[in-house]
Amino acid sequence: QKEVEQNSGPLSVPEGAIASLNCTYSDRGSQSFFWYRQYSGKSPELIMSIYSNGDKEDGRFTAQLNKASQYVSLLIRDSQPSDSATYLCAVTGGGNKLTFGTGTQLKVEL
Amino acid sequence: KAGVTQTPRYLIKTRGQQVTLSCSPISGHRSVSWYQQTPGQGLQFLFEYFSETQRNKGNFPGRFSGRQFSNSRSEMNVSTLELGDSALYLCASSSIQDRRQFFGPGTRLTVL
Repeated sequence: QKEVEQNSGPLSVPEGAIASLNCTYSDRGSQSFFWYRQYSGKSPELIMSIYSNGDKEDGRFTAQLNKASQYVSLLIRDSQPSDSATYLCAVTGGGNKLTFGTGTQLKVEL
Repeated sequence: KAGVTQTPRYLIKTRGQQVTLSCSPISGHRSVSWYQQTPGQGLQFLFEYFSETQRNKGNFPGRFSGRQFSNSRSEMNVSTLELGDSALYLCASSSIQDRRQFFGPGTRLTVL
Protein backbone atom coordinates (compact mmCIF):
# COMPACT_ATOMS: atom_id res chain seq x y z
CA GLN A 1 0.00 0.00 0.00
CA LYS A 2 1.35 3.40 -0.97
CA GLU A 3 1.71 5.91 1.85
CA VAL A 4 -0.18 8.65 0.02
CA GLU A 5 -2.61 7.74 -2.72
CA GLN A 6 -4.22 9.87 -5.37
CA ASN A 7 -6.14 9.09 -8.50
CA SER A 8 -3.79 9.95 -11.37
CA GLY A 9 -6.61 11.17 -13.58
CA PRO A 10 -6.89 13.00 -15.82
CA LEU A 11 -9.84 14.64 -14.15
CA SER A 12 -11.70 16.74 -16.70
CA VAL A 13 -14.13 19.45 -15.63
CA PRO A 14 -15.82 22.21 -17.62
CA GLU A 15 -14.85 25.81 -17.01
CA GLY A 16 -16.80 27.26 -14.07
CA ALA A 17 -17.45 23.89 -12.45
CA ILE A 18 -16.17 22.57 -9.13
CA ALA A 19 -13.15 20.29 -9.30
CA SER A 20 -12.83 17.77 -6.48
CA LEU A 21 -9.45 16.16 -5.83
CA ASN A 22 -8.98 13.41 -3.28
CA CYS A 23 -6.10 11.94 -1.34
CA THR A 24 -5.80 9.15 1.24
CA TYR A 25 -2.85 8.45 3.51
CA SER A 26 -1.80 5.41 5.48
CA ASP A 27 0.14 6.84 8.46
CA ARG A 28 -2.28 7.68 11.27
CA GLY A 29 0.47 9.76 12.87
CA SER A 30 0.44 12.26 10.00
CA GLN A 31 0.02 15.77 11.30
CA SER A 32 0.33 18.24 8.44
CA PHE A 33 -1.30 18.12 5.04
CA PHE A 34 -0.55 20.14 1.93
CA TRP A 35 -1.74 20.61 -1.60
CA TYR A 36 0.74 21.67 -4.24
CA ARG A 37 0.03 22.62 -7.84
CA GLN A 38 2.61 21.77 -10.48
CA TYR A 39 2.49 23.01 -14.03
CA SER A 40 4.32 20.98 -16.64
CA GLY A 41 8.05 21.72 -16.50
CA LYS A 42 7.74 23.80 -13.34
CA SER A 43 8.30 23.20 -9.64
CA PRO A 44 5.50 22.53 -7.13
CA GLU A 45 3.68 25.59 -5.81
CA LEU A 46 2.02 25.46 -2.39
CA ILE A 47 -1.65 26.34 -2.59
CA MET A 48 -3.17 25.00 0.65
CA SER A 49 -2.11 23.70 4.03
CA ILE A 50 -4.38 22.14 6.66
CA TYR A 51 -3.54 20.75 10.08
CA SER A 52 -6.84 20.01 11.87
CA ASN A 53 -10.07 18.27 10.97
CA GLY A 54 -12.59 20.26 9.02
CA ASP A 55 -12.55 22.71 6.15
CA LYS A 56 -10.16 25.51 5.34
CA GLU A 57 -11.02 28.00 2.64
CA ASP A 58 -8.73 30.33 0.71
CA GLY A 59 -10.29 32.10 -2.23
CA ARG A 60 -11.55 29.53 -4.71
CA PHE A 61 -9.79 26.70 -2.88
CA THR A 62 -11.15 24.64 0.02
CA ALA A 63 -9.14 21.93 1.73
CA GLN A 64 -10.96 19.31 3.77
CA LEU A 65 -9.35 17.00 6.30
CA ASN A 66 -10.82 13.93 7.99
CA LYS A 67 -8.17 12.27 10.16
CA ALA A 68 -10.47 9.44 11.25
CA SER A 69 -10.93 8.41 7.62
CA GLN A 70 -7.33 9.40 6.72
CA TYR A 71 -8.65 11.49 3.89
CA VAL A 72 -7.78 14.91 2.50
CA SER A 73 -9.51 16.66 -0.35
CA LEU A 74 -9.19 19.84 -2.34
CA LEU A 75 -12.13 21.63 -3.93
CA ILE A 76 -11.56 24.22 -6.61
CA ARG A 77 -14.61 26.38 -7.26
CA ASP A 78 -15.24 28.21 -10.53
CA SER A 79 -12.49 26.22 -12.25
CA GLN A 80 -10.51 28.11 -14.86
CA PRO A 81 -8.35 26.83 -17.73
CA SER A 82 -5.36 28.22 -15.81
CA ASP A 83 -6.12 25.67 -13.07
CA SER A 84 -5.14 22.88 -15.47
CA ALA A 85 -2.13 21.29 -13.79
CA THR A 86 -1.08 18.34 -11.67
CA TYR A 87 -2.15 18.58 -8.05
CA LEU A 88 0.07 16.90 -5.50
CA CYS A 89 -1.06 15.87 -2.05
CA ALA A 90 1.70 15.79 0.59
CA VAL A 91 1.75 14.82 4.26
CA THR A 92 4.26 14.99 7.09
CA GLY A 93 4.43 13.19 10.41
CA GLY A 94 5.66 16.10 12.45
CA GLY A 95 9.02 16.77 10.89
CA ASN A 96 9.74 18.31 7.53
CA LYS A 97 9.81 15.13 5.47
CA LEU A 98 7.06 15.55 2.90
CA THR A 99 5.60 12.32 1.53
CA PHE A 100 3.90 12.95 -1.79
CA GLY A 101 1.20 11.21 -3.72
CA THR A 102 1.72 10.68 -7.43
CA GLY A 103 -0.53 13.60 -8.27
CA THR A 104 -3.84 14.09 -10.05
CA GLN A 105 -3.84 15.72 -13.46
CA LEU A 106 -6.66 18.24 -13.74
CA LYS A 107 -7.91 19.50 -17.11
CA VAL A 108 -10.34 22.39 -17.19
CA GLU A 109 -12.09 22.49 -20.53
CA LEU A 110 -13.57 25.54 -22.24
CA LYS B 1 10.79 38.33 0.07
CA ALA B 2 12.72 36.62 -2.65
CA GLY B 3 11.86 32.98 -3.16
CA VAL B 4 14.04 29.91 -3.02
CA THR B 5 16.76 29.97 -5.63
CA GLN B 6 18.63 27.03 -7.12
CA THR B 7 21.68 26.89 -9.32
CA PRO B 8 22.36 25.75 -11.88
CA ARG B 9 18.97 25.33 -13.52
CA TYR B 10 20.19 22.73 -16.01
CA LEU B 11 23.09 20.30 -15.98
CA ILE B 12 24.31 17.61 -18.34
CA LYS B 13 26.80 15.11 -17.00
CA THR B 14 28.12 11.72 -18.01
CA ARG B 15 28.04 8.49 -16.02
CA GLY B 16 30.67 8.30 -13.32
CA GLN B 17 31.01 12.04 -12.86
CA GLN B 18 29.94 13.93 -9.77
CA VAL B 19 27.75 16.98 -9.46
CA THR B 20 27.04 19.68 -6.88
CA LEU B 21 23.77 21.55 -6.75
CA SER B 22 23.14 24.70 -4.74
CA CYS B 23 20.09 26.07 -2.96
CA SER B 24 19.52 29.42 -1.26
CA PRO B 25 16.45 29.43 1.00
CA ILE B 26 13.99 32.22 1.57
CA SER B 27 15.52 34.83 3.84
CA GLY B 28 15.04 33.81 7.46
CA HIS B 29 14.32 30.17 6.68
CA ARG B 30 16.72 27.80 8.40
CA SER B 31 15.39 24.46 7.19
CA VAL B 32 16.28 23.22 3.72
CA SER B 33 14.98 19.95 2.32
CA TRP B 34 15.95 18.26 -0.93
CA TYR B 35 13.72 16.15 -3.16
CA GLN B 36 14.16 14.16 -6.34
CA GLN B 37 11.39 14.06 -8.92
CA THR B 38 11.28 11.47 -11.69
CA PRO B 39 8.41 10.33 -13.91
CA GLY B 40 8.62 6.82 -12.52
CA GLN B 41 9.05 7.46 -8.79
CA GLY B 42 7.44 10.86 -8.39
CA LEU B 43 8.67 13.22 -5.71
CA GLN B 44 10.92 11.59 -3.14
CA PHE B 45 12.56 13.06 -0.06
CA LEU B 46 16.35 13.04 -0.01
CA PHE B 47 17.33 14.82 3.20
CA GLU B 48 16.71 17.86 5.38
CA TYR B 49 19.19 20.25 6.95
CA PHE B 50 18.59 22.58 9.83
CA SER B 51 21.22 24.76 11.47
CA GLU B 52 23.99 23.02 9.50
CA THR B 53 22.91 19.56 10.72
CA GLN B 54 21.21 16.81 8.79
CA ARG B 55 17.95 16.29 10.60
CA ASN B 56 16.30 13.65 8.44
CA LYS B 57 17.31 11.39 5.59
CA GLY B 58 15.38 9.49 2.92
CA ASN B 59 16.12 6.12 1.36
CA PHE B 60 18.83 7.05 -1.09
CA PRO B 61 22.30 5.54 -1.44
CA GLY B 62 25.33 7.16 0.14
CA ARG B 63 26.29 8.65 -3.23
CA PHE B 64 23.79 11.36 -2.37
CA SER B 65 25.04 13.76 0.26
CA GLY B 66 24.46 17.29 1.36
CA ARG B 67 25.52 20.04 3.65
CA GLN B 68 24.32 23.35 4.95
CA PHE B 69 26.29 26.49 5.63
CA SER B 70 25.95 28.99 8.44
CA ASN B 71 23.92 31.32 6.19
CA SER B 72 21.43 28.43 5.63
CA ARG B 73 22.45 27.94 2.00
CA SER B 74 22.65 24.27 1.16
CA GLU B 75 24.39 22.10 -1.36
CA MET B 76 23.78 18.55 -2.42
CA ASN B 77 26.31 16.33 -4.09
CA VAL B 78 25.86 13.20 -6.15
CA SER B 79 28.95 11.15 -6.79
CA THR B 80 29.52 8.45 -9.40
CA LEU B 81 26.49 9.46 -11.42
CA GLU B 82 24.24 6.80 -12.89
CA LEU B 83 21.74 7.10 -15.73
CA GLY B 84 18.93 6.71 -13.20
CA ASP B 85 20.02 9.87 -11.42
CA SER B 86 18.55 11.92 -14.25
CA ALA B 87 15.82 13.88 -12.54
CA LEU B 88 14.55 17.24 -11.39
CA TYR B 89 16.18 18.07 -8.07
CA LEU B 90 14.16 20.38 -5.92
CA CYS B 91 14.93 22.12 -2.69
CA ALA B 92 12.38 23.56 -0.33
CA SER B 93 12.76 25.86 2.62
CA SER B 94 10.70 26.47 5.71
CA SER B 95 10.87 28.57 8.85
CA ILE B 96 10.86 27.46 12.46
CA GLN B 97 7.42 28.93 13.05
CA ASP B 98 5.75 27.52 9.95
CA ARG B 99 5.34 23.95 8.73
CA ARG B 100 4.86 25.03 5.13
CA GLN B 101 7.63 24.29 2.65
CA PHE B 102 8.27 26.44 -0.40
CA PHE B 103 10.04 25.02 -3.41
CA GLY B 104 12.68 26.50 -5.63
CA PRO B 105 12.58 26.20 -9.44
CA GLY B 106 14.68 23.04 -9.41
CA THR B 107 17.79 21.82 -11.18
CA ARG B 108 17.22 19.55 -14.15
CA LEU B 109 20.03 16.98 -14.22
CA THR B 110 20.58 14.81 -17.26
CA VAL B 111 23.08 11.96 -17.04
CA LEU B 112 24.31 10.59 -20.37
